[in-house]
Order: sequence, then C-alpha cells, then structure tokens
Amino acid sequence: EAGVAQSPRYKIIEKRQSVAFWCNPISGHATLYWYQQILGQGPKLLIQFQNNGVVDDSQLPKDRFSAERLKGVDSTLKIQPAKLEDSAVYLCASSLEDHAGYEQFFGPGTRLTVL
Amino acid sequence: GEDVEQSLFLSVREGDSSVINCTYTDSSSTYLYWYKQEPGAGLQLLTYIFSNMDMKQDQRLTVLLNKKDKHLSLRIADTQTGDSAIYFCAETRDDKIIFGKGTRLHILP
Repeated sequence: EAGVAQSPRYKIIEKRQSVAFWCNPISGHATLYWYQQILGQGPKLLIQFQNNGVVDDSQLPKDRFSAERLKGVDSTLKIQPAKLEDSAVYLCASSLEDHAGYEQFFGPGTRLTVL
Repeated sequence: GEDVEQSLFLSVREGDSSVINCTYTDSSSTYLYWYKQEPGAGLQLLTYIFSNMDMKQDQRLTVLLNKKDKHLSLRIADTQTGDSAIYFCAETRDDKIIFGKGTRLHILP
C-alpha cells in the first residue's frame, strides 16, 4: 500500500514570496490533515479536511495561509506571502475517518526555509 | 492551551532499557499515543493505549498509564541503534491529537 506522498521535499524561498505544497493521501482515506512542525517542537494542526470539506481550520493563519482539497483526494497548502517564522516542516497526514481513534498516517513532510 | 510535557533528551546504552516519560493535560483523553520520528521522515504511530487501561505491552514496548497523575511512559526493552529517533507523546483533546515537543533518544555504543 502506497503511503502519503508529499512534494516538494525541500523548498527555500525569500520572505514575502509565495509557496505551495502538495499532498496525496492514502487511497480511500477520507480525512486529510496539514500540520506545521517548527524545529524542536511537535506537530501543530493547521487544517483538517473530511473529504473536500473543512472540519477545523481554527489554527490556520488565514491572512497568509490557504488550503484546498477540491476533489476530496489531493490537497495543496499555500503560503502567500511567507514570513521568516513560517520556516518549518509541513506534514500531511491522512486517516480513514475523522475520529481520533483512527490512525493517522504521515507523509515525509516538506521542509520550508524562509530567508 | 496547556502543553503535553516530556523531557527533550535521553541517552541510553545499547542493550539497556529506555524509559521516556510524558505528562499530558486532558483527563478525558480517550487515547494516548506514542509516535516515532526518524530523521527526514514523518511521524509513525508506535503504539497507543486506551484511557481505561493501565498498561499495554507489545513486543519490546511497554506503555504505562497513570490517569490520576496524567502520566504516560514508554519503555523500550533491549534498546537498539535502530531505536534512535524522536519520540512524541500525544493526547486526544476535542477529538484532535495534541503532540508534545518530543524526546530525542540517543543510543550509546
């Protein structure tokens, strides 16, 4: 079974530039999560989708971050414009259903460096 | 909100047991988790325990849960070099998974 795929693996941009990350979850997984993991910290949930609808985006800085999952499969996360403090690893995860009892499977992440 | 607390570093000799401790915050957490993160990789669920259990054993892994003190521990028996990683404790809060900052386990030869 293929795991969660993410691209790119690494990205370096200058502040005020835009960047987009892509995630392909495990086939059949209805729930998709984007996490931000700052160096030395645990992952923090940014947004959660159930199929193509947003379940929770309370921690997403909506003035600069946006995410979509148009067909309920792939998802993109965009930052525009980026700030220095956005430097982090962005992890995508998926699970069969929207419940903490279902295991979340994580992708390898995209490491973003903002200069 | 309050943080899930765990020590940042642990060094253990190969072959010894490793014990990683965690204090969580939500007494109503249904599930408590241990995730493993190897360099350059995402998180991998290592094991979990239901809140109505005190202990769970899975091969070299033993999880102990003290609900009164909101304390969770992970014991890795016969620690190997392949166990070198960051271990995250996590709780469920409002049906979301909240992670600690992780404990980096270093294996000494």
